[in-house]
Amino acid sequence: DAKTTQPTSMDCAEGRAANLPCNHSTISGNEYVYWYRQIHSQGPQYIIHGLKNNETNEMASLIITEDRKSSTLILPHATLRDTAVYYCIVRVRETSGSRLTFGEGTQLTVNP
Amino acid sequence: NAGVTQTPKFQVLKTGQSMTLQCAQDMNHEYMSWYRQDPGMGLRLIHYSVGAGITDQGEVPNGYNVSRSTTEDFPLRLLSAAPSQTSVYFCASSYFSGTGGQTLHFGNGTRLTVT
Repeated sequence: DAKTTQPTSMDCAEGRAANLPCNHSTISGNEYVYWYRQIHSQGPQYIIHGLKNNETNEMASLIITEDRKSSTLILPHATLRDTAVYYCIVRVRETSGSRLTFGEGTQLTVNP
Repeated sequence: NAGVTQTPKFQVLKTGQSMTLQCAQDMNHEYMSWYRQDPGMGLRLIHYSVGAGITDQGEVPNGYNVSRSTTEDFPLRLLSAAPSQTSVYFCASSYFSGTGGQTLHFGNGTRLTVT
């Protein structure tokens, strides 16, 4: 299983870009990188995912390095409501199905 | 659509009691799963299902049973509750493409305390 490494915590000023790194050096060629976040006491929320190319949606951008060994989630204009734990996940494919394995994530605190 | 609905929201059990945590989704998703989250920790996969009649174990399956008789429902059974099972339980569902690209929709959790 490909494992991910994320910093335990990060701070960001409101209105600035938040750049959250993730290392996944053992990722396989057919594994996707997913990002979820969990606001306190709520269920996790999907943000974005990608395979090789950079991706952007209304919530964030995902930058994946050419060798796919690391990625960065970018929140372009962080707000106080973006304070949450952010999980970087590599999809594990099983013969009987598939599963997403969560690590401990990065606690992002957006400060006023 | 209601999305993923979990009941109850809160539950207190005594050691040795059994109970079933309910999870229902109305999005016709093939894939459903159960996670537990202990204080200050990430989510750990308990069991998952890729379709009705098919279930499989995750990282921490001991002490839990699941069944998937319909596409909509995926109940989690605690056979004999232990204090170590005190946790927040999340149910999730998604389409299962089989080729990659799978986004999970989570419920709001069941907070279980075992005394």
